[in-house]
Amino acid sequence: DGGITQSPKYLFRKEGQNVTLSCEQNLNHDAMYWYRQDPGQGLRLIYYSQIVNDFQKGDIAEGYSVSREKKESFPLTVTSAQKNPTAFYLCASRDPYSPLHFGNGTRLTVT
Amino acid sequence: EDQVTQSPEALRLQEGESSSLNCSYTVSGLRGLFWYRQDPGKGPEFLFTLYSAGEEKEKERLKATLTKKESFLHITAPKPEDSATYLCAVQATNAGNNRKLIWGLGTSLAVNP
Repeated sequence: DGGITQSPKYLFRKEGQNVTLSCEQNLNHDAMYWYRQDPGQGLRLIYYSQIVNDFQKGDIAEGYSVSREKKESFPLTVTSAQKNPTAFYLCASRDPYSPLHFGNGTRLTVT
Repeated sequence: EDQVTQSPEALRLQEGESSSLNCSYTVSGLRGLFWYRQDPGKGPEFLFTLYSAGEEKEKERLKATLTKKESFLHITAPKPEDSATYLCAVQATNAGNNRKLIWGLGTSLAVNP
């Protein structure tokens, strides 16, 4: 079945460490997105990529970095510069004629 | 400022008790309105897209409607498995190349057996 795989489901890190969240899709979608979800706030866009080797900052890109070396993969690195990294991170993809399709998220806890 | 507001924040129903969730929006121009369902610890699951006032879409016990200022998600004779958070998102006509969505905070629905 086609879909988006995010791994790991839960991730724990110490403050000051960088951490990379994985997102892989087999839907053959060109566009991929990273969102952050916090209690009491709507989904907020971190980064998006419309094509391989190209990506753009979203609304809250500070403290995050991404790469898009393959169509299927869009990893997100949460750096030590991100002040409040503990959150639920969602990866999504779409083609030009479809709504966003989401993975099942990674819950990151930084202590 | 473009904005999406969902109400109520939380709703508790008895099995079989029909109700509606509201999504009101303020955008300069509407390209599309999306409804998603999200279960705890999971990613949002797409339900419907609505494009113009007067449009309606149905799926099992759910029916989504759209006016120029708001959308309703009607739930007819809900079952416990309909318990979830329902998210509304709007795409404005000036959303740009990233087709940015403006998200509401969601309505948490609990259906008691």
